[in-house]
Amino acid sequence: GAVVSQHPSWVICKSGTSVKIECRSLDFQATTMFWYRQFPKQSLMLMATSNEGSKATYEQGVEKDKFLINHASLTLSTLTVTSAHPEDSSFYICSARPQGAKGNTIYFGEGSWLTVV
Amino acid sequence: AQRVTQPEKLLSVFKGAPVELKCNYSYSGSPELFWYVQYSRQRLQLLLRHISRESIKGFTADLNKGETSFHLKKPFAQEEDSAMYYCALAERGKLIFGQGTELSVKP
Repeated sequence: GAVVSQHPSWVICKSGTSVKIECRSLDFQATTMFWYRQFPKQSLMLMATSNEGSKATYEQGVEKDKFLINHASLTLSTLTVTSAHPEDSSFYICSARPQGAKGNTIYFGEGSWLTVV
Repeated sequence: AQRVTQPEKLLSVFKGAPVELKCNYSYSGSPELFWYVQYSRQRLQLLLRHISRESIKGFTADLNKGETSFHLKKPFAQEEDSAMYYCALAERGKLIFGQGTELSVKP
């Protein structure tokens, strides 16, 4: 089946530094990828929609200068948390829609835990 | 405005008991609804979608447009069903998730 992989699975960074999370579709091409944020035992909040070769579309309230999204190829999207602060600590999940998929077929990555100290 | 509502944060049942996880939605037009499951320390997995009208792991969900609901049901809960369950609505290619319900099945 289709696999979406995120790297790193968990990362600890110092406050004020930047950290990059990668999302890869391993066996399919994805023109669209989505980034979510999830707090423990809470819902997934959509942060942005990443389209290959174009700018990401951010949801209301999400700072695009803080959460930089790049979708440089059909198999890779990256989320960079710039100048991270402790309140950015969260579980970040990406998902990808296969190119040409019918309906709303979406596959999820395993998530990345970010802890800012 | 909340588009997908799961009123119960936690649902605790005994093994063999029936289970119903509630989901209500707000959407104009024909909705496309899903149930996702997240087992402990694992990724989110699609459980079922209303358009396929299938039964996965004994779970079923029926779309009731009159009541704007898409409740998830299973007649006999198993311990391995313990997990977080999320109802989701597809909107312009994006998935909007409910708050999630933690199902705990006790032996």
